[in-house]
Amino acid sequence: ETGVTQTPRHLVMGMTNKKSLKCEQHLGHNAMYWYKQSAKKPLELMFVYNFKEQTENNSVPSRFSPECPNSSHLFLHLHTLQPEDSALYLCASNAQRGAYNEQFFGPGTRLTVL
Amino acid sequence: SQQGEEDPQALSIQEGENATMNCSYKTSINNLQWYRQNSGRGLVHLILIRSNEREKHSGRLRVTLDTSKKSSSLLITASRAADTASYFCATDEGTDKLIFGTGTRLQVFP
Repeated sequence: ETGVTQTPRHLVMGMTNKKSLKCEQHLGHNAMYWYKQSAKKPLELMFVYNFKEQTENNSVPSRFSPECPNSSHLFLHLHTLQPEDSALYLCASNAQRGAYNEQFFGPGTRLTVL
Repeated sequence: SQQGEEDPQALSIQEGENATMNCSYKTSINNLQWYRQNSGRGLVHLILIRSNEREKHSGRLRVTLDTSKKSSSLLITASRAADTASYFCATDEGTDKLIFGTGTRLQVFP
């Protein structure tokens, strides 16, 4: 266990549904990240939050809406998704201490959009 | 744009053999990290090498870094079936994010 939890672990949703992914870190870290991992593609950074402020939005479609209410929690709200959004969504955190930017990952949410 | 490119994309070996994976990157870095991912799970940090280091060891892992060639290698010695996973390099350019490579899928047969 890395100290980063994600729920749910698996999610199947239709294109008209609204759902949310949750990430929680118990490590006292300042930065949290959402990544998308699709089959046969590199890991794609979606959003970065630093001290609850969004510092990166990597041209992500507006059907993905992140929320970071505090440094320990990160959400990804999903609505009107497309089948190509099916992927493993990974959350990560790090302490942002100087030059050692080691990231701690959660187990991921496997999302299937029908 | 993708920073790290791992080579090979896939590697199959027998238990006890050594596995070597390579990573190339494009820009200046503060450090380079290697991560492991078991199928369908999150990534786990393995080892970090700073830009002023050339080699680092951790257990059965040996990492080298050649900043002149912008490349790194990960060597796993005496591999075990449990080492079967995907391995990713990630570069830290001094911002608040890492740039991950495409990964090498390692299969170790008993």
